Amino acid sequence: AQKITQTQPGMFVQEKEAVTLDCTYDTSDQSYGLFWYKQPSSGEMIFLIYQGSYDEQNATEGRYSLNFQKARKSANLVISASQLGDSAMYFCAMKVYTGNQFYFGTGTSLTVIP
Amino acid sequence: DAGVTQSPTHLIKTRGQHVTLRCSPISGHKSVSWYQQVLGQGPQFIFQYYEKEERGRGNFPDRFSARQFPNYSSELNVNALLLGDSALYLCASSSGPSLGMNTEAFFGQGTRLTVV
Repeated sequence: AQKITQTQPGMFVQEKEAVTLDCTYDTSDQSYGLFWYKQPSSGEMIFLIYQGSYDEQNATEGRYSLNFQKARKSANLVISASQLGDSAMYFCAMKVYTGNQFYFGTGTSLTVIP
Repeated sequence: DAGVTQSPTHLIKTRGQHVTLRCSPISGHKSVSWYQQVLGQGPQFIFQYYEKEERGRGNFPDRFSARQFPNYSSELNVNALLLGDSALYLCASSSGPSLGMNTEAFFGQGTRLTVV
């Protein structure tokens, strides 16, 4: 069975500062992908970043980077230079190679303070 | 380019009623998945369809059903609504059949269903 755990229900960060959102996962599959999605109050899930289980380097997409520690089964999202528009729910998700669905965590609510 | 579109955006139904939610995927995408997101939780997988065939089903009762049309749009039907069916229903489209481990999904804004 696949499981995603996000232990931070809510986080606050000062504008222009960096913030790390935690994500741990559990799977017995060797081939899997880890994703982060942003969900504003409008409801749409916006794709941010992807990390494959065989990728040796941490993924980066603009201000987003994924701190992937395979041995610890963690895939933390780092947002640098936070902006007010970053305030939203953030979900960590996983897919396995043999499956066809996303497994989501419970999310972290990020609030950026001016 | 149009993204994933869902209709209606909001809906209020009474217990016991039936509801139909609609989704149009991104042009060229042949796979549609449905997710239920209860308040305070992450989305939970309901169905995946590819080329009009069901490719996956989550742990939901038979009251939930779906179908995909030749133009790849999809409907999610829920019968005998319960209060616990109140949620945001998200539709996601992707290009491939089984998503694979590295295929991102593009989500719509969802339909907020309230059952009273």
